[in-house]
Amino acid sequence: GAVVSQHPSWVICKSGTSVKIECRSLDFQATTMFWYRQFPKQSLMLMATSNEGSKATYEQGVEKDKFLINHASLTLSTLTVTSAHPEDSSFYICSASGGGVGTDTQYFGPGTRLTVL
Amino acid sequence: SQQGEEDPQALSIQEGENATMNCSYKTSINNLQWYRQNSGRGLVHLILIRSNEREKHSGRLRVTLDTSKKSSSLLITASRAADTASYFCASEGFQKLVFGTGTRLLVSP
Repeated sequence: GAVVSQHPSWVICKSGTSVKIECRSLDFQATTMFWYRQFPKQSLMLMATSNEGSKATYEQGVEKDKFLINHASLTLSTLTVTSAHPEDSSFYICSASGGGVGTDTQYFGPGTRLTVL
Repeated sequence: SQQGEEDPQALSIQEGENATMNCSYKTSINNLQWYRQNSGRGLVHLILIRSNEREKHSGRLRVTLDTSKKSSSLLITASRAADTASYFCASEGFQKLVFGTGTRLLVSP
């Protein structure tokens, strides 16, 4: 149990376009979802926390208008990178917690590799 | 930055040897967790130790926690080539995880 999926697993786009990444909890209801980014050979940095039905809470230094997060249901959160630029190229990972799996543990998706040309 | 630090940054050992990684964090925590990440992949949760625990075991993994020093260690015993991965500690406080810088472990056959 406690499976989190992400789609797409990788995406290549042109500079200036917007990209949407989906994060789904497949077998539990995720009251809270988290979005991280990871640059090559670096650690994960939390971008934002989203609770179902409410606005996301962004970490300091993360542009809200650039990284749009929607947590419309207990099983789906989306991250939209608007007007993407090469510096947005990164590995984006979501995680989910809540429901019967326990609130201490976050279950991570497999990640989405974004390359902006 | 609140990011934790891990050492060593990289560790290369032979199969059968033990691997020890250390983690330091900066704030008060509810628990500390260890994750593994294979190259370019998602994270796999390994073990969680709560702030009132000092040591925890799970299979070949042994984790210690010293809240007075804000540090933790992960020991992998009898390592295998399949243990080759990056290992991250993550301190949990206020329902947020703060990851350490990671240790890249290479286990050679």
